[in-house]
Amino acid sequence: GAVVSQHPSRVICKSGTSVKIECRSLDFQATTMFWYRQFPKKSLMLMATSNEGSKATYEQGVEKDKFLINHASLTLSTLTVTSAHPEDSSFYICSAQSPGLYSYEQYFGPGTRLTVT
Amino acid sequence: SQKIEQNSEALNIQEGKTATLTCNYTNYSPAYLQWYRQDPGRGPVFLLLIRENEKEKRKERLKVTFDTTLKQSLFHITASQPADSATYLCARADQGGKLIFGQGTELSVKP
Repeated sequence: GAVVSQHPSRVICKSGTSVKIECRSLDFQATTMFWYRQFPKKSLMLMATSNEGSKATYEQGVEKDKFLINHASLTLSTLTVTSAHPEDSSFYICSAQSPGLYSYEQYFGPGTRLTVT
Repeated sequence: SQKIEQNSEALNIQEGKTATLTCNYTNYSPAYLQWYRQDPGRGPVFLLLIRENEKEKRKERLKVTFDTTLKQSLFHITASQPADSATYLCARADQGGKLIFGQGTELSVKP
């Protein structure tokens, strides 16, 4: 089946620093990837849609200058949290969608736990 | 705006019983609904997709229904097992394949 990986799985950083999270589709090409964040006991909140070779589309209320998304290839999208603050601590999850698979199934990565101290 | 609502209260059932989870949506019917399973600290795993014109879909011990009159989808796990304990998420797809998730229902199956 379709596998999506994320790296790192956990990261602790100091306030003011930047953190990059990678999302890779391992056995298929993903023209579209999505980035979500999830707070404890809460549902997934879509942050942005990332299309290969073009600028990401951000959801309302998500700061594009703070959460930089790059989808440089059909198998890799990155999310960079810039100048991180404690309130950015969360569980970040990516998903990938491919036209080769059933159109609207999304395959999720295992998530990245970010803690900003 | 389109909303997806799931019963936020945890569902506790006995092993062997059928678990039934509810997903309600507002406004127009989505072309399809999806159900995912999420374990603590992990990303969601796709389970089933049901289209608007499908009344029911099955996969092994799982069954999903779609009632456009009630604006509701039901997710059933028959012969439930402790390993089925997890949070189950319902989602509708928006334009471009964006998913809008419900808050999820935590299922606990006791032996």
